[in-house]
Amino acid sequence: QQPVQSPQAVILREGEDAVINCSSSKALYSVHWYRQKHGEAPIFLMILLKGGEQKGHDKISASFNEKKQQSSLYLTASQLSYSGTYFCGTGMEYGNKLVFGAGTILRVKS
Amino acid sequence: NAGVTQTPKFQVLKTGQSMTLQCAQDMNHEYMSWYRQDPGMGLRLIHYSVGAGITDQGEVPNGYNVSRSTTEDFPLRLLSAAPSQTSVYFCASSYVVFGGMNTEAFFGQGTRLTVV
Repeated sequence: QQPVQSPQAVILREGEDAVINCSSSKALYSVHWYRQKHGEAPIFLMILLKGGEQKGHDKISASFNEKKQQSSLYLTASQLSYSGTYFCGTGMEYGNKLVFGAGTILRVKS
Repeated sequence: NAGVTQTPKFQVLKTGQSMTLQCAQDMNHEYMSWYRQDPGMGLRLIHYSVGAGITDQGEVPNGYNVSRSTTEDFPLRLLSAAPSQTSVYFCASSYVVFGGMNTEAFFGQGTRLTVV
């Protein structure tokens, strides 16, 4: 029931763009994105609801296609501070529980 | 405002011992949950609760018990610790809005548990 994230890992140079994908075999109501630095707790980035909306702040944005049961996180002009593990969490309609994927390790090099 | 507080931060147990991981939040969140994090496996849901007196199983509930007698506290009990339960445990809480959707989840700082 865990959503599937891809890629598992990606290495970028500062200023490059990246896309992280999250897909589910079940119908989704919401998708959450979090970032975790090594040794720390995950930190919330954004939530998307079914309806195909796109959200973003600064140079990080995300889209949600509920027909395809997929979400993508877009990181543009990456900075060193973007390094970490990114998790998508999925919520089913009326399901309450939040289930996370295995994570995508992102490393930005100078 | 403390947010989500987990204790202890580190713990070493012997196989067969029992213990309770504590989690408390001061944001009046209805939803609380426990996850374990293992390399390459992401955050796996152990148990969750949508309010005092209401708990349910997640993806990996075996070997763990929970109860929720108050809105603030959601302890996780290991009944008979096994080496396979060596992991980092995170507690998280959030509001639940209409339709059962969770809002932003706030995580505790984690408990690193080693079972020898």
